Amino acid sequence: DAGITQSPRYKITETGRQVTLMCHQTWSHSYMFWYRQDLGHGLRLIYYSAAADITDKGEVPDGYVVSRSKTENFPLTLESATRSQTSVYFCASSDLATEQFFGPGTRLTVL
Amino acid sequence: AQKITQTQPGMFVQEKEAVTLDCTYDTSDPSYGLFWYKQPSSGEMIFLIYQGSYDQQNATEGRYSLNFQKARKSANLVISASQLGDSAMYFCAMELGGSQGNLIFGKGTKLSVKP
Repeated sequence: DAGITQSPRYKITETGRQVTLMCHQTWSHSYMFWYRQDLGHGLRLIYYSAAADITDKGEVPDGYVVSRSKTENFPLTLESATRSQTSVYFCASSDLATEQFFGPGTRLTVL
Repeated sequence: AQKITQTQPGMFVQEKEAVTLDCTYDTSDPSYGLFWYKQPSSGEMIFLIYQGSYDQQNATEGRYSLNFQKARKSANLVISASQLGDSAMYFCAMELGGSQGNLIFGKGTKLSVKP
């Protein structure tokens, strides 16, 4: 089905472990984004990508790494997870001519 | 600095009545877009309405309208004839021209519709 999917939907990990959150879209949108949502902060941009192999930092990039080898995928990696990275993570995509379409979110808990 | 402010953490409205959710923004960029998203308790982000800074008329989408007052830098969302399904978090967001789609979000307003 067309759309934007995220996996896993829920993840529990321990401090110091590496975690990768996956995002896949079927619209061939050029732009993809990662946000985190925390109570009292709304959504904040972590990283974004304008095209394959082009990525850039957002407002809160520290502790995260992204890659985009294919247009449809935009994985987000926490290289060494910390408790402060417990959050809900949203991936979104857009062609800039329309609104951003959001994935269902991944709820990550770091113990 | 670019900023979105939503001053109402929570609001109540009676079913079938209209409600206005406030949003003010701060930018010196003349080109920008304003968005409203709805987030029900299930967690997904649902696009509601968009207003461009050069649009002459206020945007409308069904029961949603955006009261855009450029001089006041406000972009309030008006929901007419509230329904129980409108109970959700509502986020205002701004995209600056040339920002490559980066959205700046407000902290949200939780709307509760009473039967």
